[in-house]
Amino acid sequence: DGGITQSPKYLFRKEGQNVTLSCEQNLNHDAMYWYRQDPGQGLRLIYYSQIVNDFQKGDIAEGYSVSREKKESFPLTVTSAQKNPTAFYLCASSIERKSGGAKNIQYFGAGTRLSVL
Amino acid sequence: AQTVTQSQPEMSVQEAETVTLSCTYDTSESDYYLFWYKQPPSRQMILVIRQEAYKQQNATENRFSVNFQKAAKSFSLKISDSQLGDAAMYFCAYRYSGAGSYQLTFGKGTKLSVIP
Repeated sequence: DGGITQSPKYLFRKEGQNVTLSCEQNLNHDAMYWYRQDPGQGLRLIYYSQIVNDFQKGDIAEGYSVSREKKESFPLTVTSAQKNPTAFYLCASSIERKSGGAKNIQYFGAGTRLSVL
Repeated sequence: AQTVTQSQPEMSVQEAETVTLSCTYDTSESDYYLFWYKQPPSRQMILVIRQEAYKQQNATENRFSVNFQKAAKSFSLKISDSQLGDAAMYFCAYRYSGAGSYQLTFGKGTKLSVIP
């Protein structure tokens, strides 16, 4: 089945530790995104990538890092510099080349809940 | 900067009735997209409906329709014949359609409860 797979579903981080959240898509989408969701808040953009080997900071990039070595994969690392990492993290992807009605629509994975031990 | 406001943190509707969720946005652009996403208890975001700003006709998807008022910068979602499965958080989102623009701006959401 085509879709966006995020893993793990739950993740725990110890103080001073870096952790990596995985996001894989087999939809042949061009762009990929990472969002953070806190209780009572909408989604806030952390990073996005339009093409392989290129990515841009979103509104809340501090304390996070990403890579885009393959079109299908866009992992997010939550570094020890992120002092309040407890949140729900959502990955999304979209078609950006001209391809009709699906263009510009972001589709989401099931999310990863990150907690601090 | 664009902002999206959902003024109703919570709403409830009787099963089989109709409910309207409100959304307003602020932008200086003329060409953009607006979206409604649903987030059920599973927390996966699901696209409900999309509206392109240059289209005057309101988008519809089965029981879901929008009332898009471009001049008023208003984008409400109407759910007809509400079902128990419609209970979820609903988020309104905006995206500028210009070249190189990728960011979605979300409102804070409206929690919809459906009463049997």
